[in-house]
Amino acid sequence: EAQVTQNPRYLITVTGKKLTVTCSQNMNHEYMSWYRQDPGLGLRQIYYSMNVEVTDKGDVPEGYKVSRKEKRNFPLILESPSPNQTSLYFCASRERATYNEQFFGPGTRLTVL
Amino acid sequence: GQQVMQIPQYQHVQEGEDFTTYCNSSTTLSNIQWYKQRPGGHPVFLIQLVKSGEVKKQKRLTFQFGEAKKNSSLHITATQTTDVGTYFCAGRQKAGNMLTFGGGTRLMVKP
Repeated sequence: EAQVTQNPRYLITVTGKKLTVTCSQNMNHEYMSWYRQDPGLGLRQIYYSMNVEVTDKGDVPEGYKVSRKEKRNFPLILESPSPNQTSLYFCASRERATYNEQFFGPGTRLTVL
Repeated sequence: GQQVMQIPQYQHVQEGEDFTTYCNSSTTLSNIQWYKQRPGGHPVFLIQLVKSGEVKKQKRLTFQFGEAKKNSSLHITATQTTDVGTYFCAGRQKAGNMLTFGGGTRLMVKP
């Protein structure tokens, strides 16, 4: 089944404790991205990747890192999480940057205390 | 940077009534996409509009892209309880690879 998976689905952590949210897709998509969703603000793009070893900042990259060493994986790293990073995070992928349909993962609800 | 505004933020309707959400971009778009997110779920792609003035239909849903490619709308005829969720538009600028999402319209349908 074609899908985007994320882990963990829920995470409660404390300020400053490094964490990684994994994202994997099995559709051989070139383009992957991370969004955060906050009430009233819609989905805001954090980082995106056009292909392996090619990443770029989105609208809200501060406090986040990403890597794209393999085509299928696009982990999101929070080196020193802060409470303002409490949010719902979605990973997404599509075949190419210019291709239309984007597939979203199930989401990761992160709480930073 | 590009901004995409969506109104209304919330809409309560009685089952059977129509519903419309509007999307406006601060810049001309290459294309616009619409997504639906059910409560507790993730966004699911509905459709993409590319041409100026384009209109597309999916059963009771009608999508329009403005002539200037800066605005779009989604209209649902005779809403059903299964239409409940948040509808997002997402626009792509002509020279960009990013999708900028609107804030979403949360639709609630009373049976």
